[in-house]
Amino acid sequence: DTAVSQTPKYLVTQMGNDKSIKCEQNLGHDTMYWYKQDSKKFLKIMFSYNNKELIINETVPNRFSPKSPDKAHLNLHINSLELGDSAVYFCASSQLEGQPVFGPGTRLTVL
Amino acid sequence: AQSVTQPDIHITVSEGASLELRCNYSYGATPYLFWYVQSPGQGLQLLLKYFSGDTLVQGIKGFEAEFKRSQSSFNLRKPSVHWSDAAEYFCAVEEYSNYQLIWGAGTKLIIKP
Repeated sequence: DTAVSQTPKYLVTQMGNDKSIKCEQNLGHDTMYWYKQDSKKFLKIMFSYNNKELIINETVPNRFSPKSPDKAHLNLHINSLELGDSAVYFCASSQLEGQPVFGPGTRLTVL
Repeated sequence: AQSVTQPDIHITVSEGASLELRCNYSYGATPYLFWYVQSPGQGLQLLLKYFSGDTLVQGIKGFEAEFKRSQSSFNLRKPSVHWSDAAEYFCAVEEYSNYQLIWGAGTKLIIKP
């Protein structure tokens, strides 16, 4: 069983569209994260949720909105997509301050 | 299936001592290999990466790693650790065909004064 899964693996879309990336973890972790990996492979944390509550919200455009319907899910909604949003997005989960487990990533391409 | 193994869950070294963190991968083709570090309360930071060419790669903060195809390894080294190196270290392999990362479980580095 995949511990942290993301869907879709690939997402190709036009500028201006609204899209979502889903993340699910079956580890019983309390905390979930979204990271953005840029073209140079640097990973930047975007959001962190603990027990469905937002605890980290780094400086990202407000077009990005995380939604956590329950502890096992943290979805990322992106409105009005721009070319610069093209990247690989990683979801992760952990117990609070514990060792994170990463998902495989979602490659977003904005045309 | 491709996999990445970091056999040491945690390692404790004295400040000033040398360090080697192990990473083994299972992958058919030549992989793209990465080491990331996550300091307490912070996100992940790329230490170094290997795509091709010289098998000994230099990274930030005085770290280096050596790709050994015959051993399917990409071990991270540092000649002298500092207390600020205490963190979680992750090895990752990028699947050439679909750009996704396969992560190791991580190794927690503890520094003794």
